[in-house]
Amino acid sequence: QKEVEQNSGPLSVPEGAIASLNCTYSDRGSQSFFWYRQYSGKSPELIMFIYSNGDKEDGRFTAQLNKASQYVSLLIRDSQPSDSATYLCAVNTRNAGNNRKLIWGLGTSLAVNP
Amino acid sequence: EAGVTQSPTHLIKTRGQQATLRCSPISGHTSVYWYQQALGLGLQFLLWYDEGEERNRGNFPPRFSGRQFPNYSSELNVNALELEDSALYLCASSPRWAGVEQFFGPGTRLTVL
Repeated sequence: QKEVEQNSGPLSVPEGAIASLNCTYSDRGSQSFFWYRQYSGKSPELIMFIYSNGDKEDGRFTAQLNKASQYVSLLIRDSQPSDSATYLCAVNTRNAGNNRKLIWGLGTSLAVNP
Repeated sequence: EAGVTQSPTHLIKTRGQQATLRCSPISGHTSVYWYQQALGLGLQFLLWYDEGEERNRGNFPPRFSGRQFPNYSSELNVNALELEDSALYLCASSPRWAGVEQFFGPGTRLTVL
């Protein structure tokens, strides 16, 4: 089982709809969770992070965390064509030396259609 | 506040040559991470430096190496370049301790001919 899993997509939604991006992780001891957006040919940029169970909202973005189910999601409300990008999930987990490190999913490609 | 900077933006080399990529972290950040992202693929973790020491490395051969300087800037060296080393190389920085959010530079596009 991969440590951080995301559907590769592409996820296609119409403009104005809600886009829902999902991520599951394997380390129950993970403590912090990050969503990054990456446009084609560009570097990833941090959108949101979440540490506690429940929802965290920032503008049109909502991160949802369920540690019992080992699941974190990103909702994008009122999706815009400019949201079309690859969304990367990263999870703070422990390595063999009990040091924490970020583990990255492969990303979900989102296409918002005008 | 200046972000993470990387140089050069583009680098073209031929097989067997060596490439050196540079990264300056955000002021106050002590950790530097290097990633490789081949076209259409995910981020592959290469190296993590903190306080001048290599803390962890990914599944890459020893010809990928680097170092971190006292001012926390970092170099990635790739020896004996192979065609499959062509990729976007991304540097990220974070405050001390792995696991907090990482901030990325614009990347260096390495092309091996």
